[in-house]
Amino acid sequence: DTAVSQTPKYLVTQMGNDKSIKCEQNLGHDTMYWYKQDSKKFLKIMFSYNNKELIINETVPNRFSPKSPDKAHLNLHINSLELGDSAVYFCASSQGQVYGYTFGSGTRLTVV
Amino acid sequence: RKEVEQDPGPFNVPEGATVAFNCTYSNSASQSFFWYRQDCRKEPKLLMSVYSSGNEDGRFTAQLNRASQYISLLIRDSKLSDSATYLCVVMDSSYKLIFGSGTRLLVRP
Repeated sequence: DTAVSQTPKYLVTQMGNDKSIKCEQNLGHDTMYWYKQDSKKFLKIMFSYNNKELIINETVPNRFSPKSPDKAHLNLHINSLELGDSAVYFCASSQGQVYGYTFGSGTRLTVV
Repeated sequence: RKEVEQDPGPFNVPEGATVAFNCTYSNSASQSFFWYRQDCRKEPKLLMSVYSSGNEDGRFTAQLNRASQYISLLIRDSKLSDSATYLCVVMDSSYKLIFGSGTRLLVRP
């Protein structure tokens, strides 16, 4: 039974399209995150939600909009996709903000 | 200067070797420290937390030196299955996890 699940696993799309990535966790955690891992393998935080409230919003283009309908779900919508958005996007969750995170298996986004 | 710096490697060692990874962090207000492991095309997984007193988990030993802002990971008796990228991770004062770029380990037969 997957703890943090993301869909889709792979996403290939054209420049200019709008796409969404979904994330769900069944761990009962209260905090969820989106991280981006670029081609240089650097993992960088994008957003964090605690009990549906946005608590971290890094310097991310406003084409990226997270949505948390409840504390078990955190979705990421991306408008007007650009080539530079190609990366692996990881969702993660934690209980509180002090402990290590549990990551989903990632969504590999390729913009062509 | 990067917030968390690691030697990218790769470290190429024979089975049974002992290997050590180092990491430095720039923010003295950082509060928690971790080592994560990431296999190729997989998600990062928590390997161990790092405490000031040092801690051990089987063949893995982690050390933290807050004065020098330095973290280390020692792997004894390397196994083929230890081949992966090891990520040094620091939690900053706003509870964000900041990842280093990782050190790649290749254990050969």
